[in-house]
Amino acid sequence: GQQLNQSPQSMFIQEGEDVSMNCTSSSIFNTWLWYKQDPGEGPVLLIALYKAGELTSNGRLTAQFGITRKDSFLNISASIPSDVGIYFCAGQLSSGGSNYKLTFGKGTLLTVNP
Amino acid sequence: GAVVSQHPSRVICKSGTSVKIECRSLDFQATTMFWYRQFPKQSLMLMATSNEGSKATYEQGVEKDKFLINHASLTLSTLTVTSAHPEDSSFYICSARDWGDRGWNSPLHFGNGTRLTVT
Repeated sequence: GQQLNQSPQSMFIQEGEDVSMNCTSSSIFNTWLWYKQDPGEGPVLLIALYKAGELTSNGRLTAQFGITRKDSFLNISASIPSDVGIYFCAGQLSSGGSNYKLTFGKGTLLTVNP
Repeated sequence: GAVVSQHPSRVICKSGTSVKIECRSLDFQATTMFWYRQFPKQSLMLMATSNEGSKATYEQGVEKDKFLINHASLTLSTLTVTSAHPEDSSFYICSARDWGDRGWNSPLHFGNGTRLTVT
């Protein structure tokens, strides 16, 4: 089945630094999604990408859908303490047989030191 | 935006009892909802797809008699963990799409999860 490789597994940064994380896949997706999960809560959608090459921003967050449709990255600029959490990438293949299910990466644990 | 509400947020039950978790789409209708399970420090694992008006579709290795799913209306799906055992203790999260967004390409929105502890 499809697998997503998300890296890095964890990051420890200072407040104000920029952060970059990425996901690669063994096969293509139609949609790439980035979620953030705080402890004890469900994932919250940060950015959704629908077209190869698409670059989308949401405040200090920027994500891109790779042109090969097999990868995506998420950048966070000028990190702040509330950015702490686990970030998941997820790919969706919207075609028959996939049941439009999401495939999740293993997550990137971000720690921001004030 | 699309809001998914999950209840309860936390439940403790004794081994052998059953627990029901509710998932509601608050401001949209969802013919399909998805149930995930998450172990500590791990990613989300899809357990089953809940279909309104028909049987749920379970992922390989998930016992359908153990995890009963009922999608009674366009805004409500329930997951019942039957005869719970300590190994069923986990974080259960439901999700749904707002079709009115982009149809099947719409992103999944997640509930806040239910922490189940079986003693």
